[in-house]
Amino acid sequence: DTGVSQDPRHKITKRGQNVTFRCDPISEHNRLYWYRQTLGQGPEFLTYFQNEAQLEKSRLLSDRFSAERPKGSFSTLEIQRTEQGDSAMYLCASAPQGITNEKLFFGSGTQLSVL
Amino acid sequence: EDQVTQSPEALRLQEGESSSLNCSYTVSGLRGLFWYRQDPGKGPEFLFTLYSAGEEKEKERLKATLTKKESFLHITAPKPEDSATYLCAVLTDSWGKFQFGAGTQVVVTP
Repeated sequence: DTGVSQDPRHKITKRGQNVTFRCDPISEHNRLYWYRQTLGQGPEFLTYFQNEAQLEKSRLLSDRFSAERPKGSFSTLEIQRTEQGDSAMYLCASAPQGITNEKLFFGSGTQLSVL
Repeated sequence: EDQVTQSPEALRLQEGESSSLNCSYTVSGLRGLFWYRQDPGKGPEFLFTLYSAGEEKEKERLKATLTKKESFLHITAPKPEDSATYLCAVLTDSWGKFQFGAGTQVVVTP
């Protein structure tokens, strides 16, 4: 169990630029989640994958956000035309198949700063 | 709409001074209540899951309890290494969507 890995850990970008984050879940986990967390708040759900299928998206996820999970392994989250309001910690979490009322395993997140 | 509210927002304790954190929730169908610990710059780390009113779980100096409307996280004789933000989350969907509270930031001073 090597844990959930996220890359990069920190990203500084200028407003209007595109950014992409990567998440490598625990290898046997088929469920993958993206959350966003701003300072002083709890994580907010963005989207959920079961294997390669994106099954749920929050209304928080505007058209500028897109997530993929090709082949049901790693996942990417892309933000196009970044805005200052996108500055946040982007957390990835994974969980095994089957029992859905089990804990999530979180990565250390990608801290995005939009200047 | 499902809501999770944590109080207090922040808590400063002396080492050894026991206290409790509160998580109140309003959800249409609770499938589980989870407590996580989060250190600065890190992702949340799982502590406990509670499924039904009256259930209790313990781990070292932490004890979590659950009623029909709220959960408490009791910290007994805390140490400085217990300093962290404690997050409460409810599971409301069959596919595993969690709704988190804003957290309680706990600082334990020697």
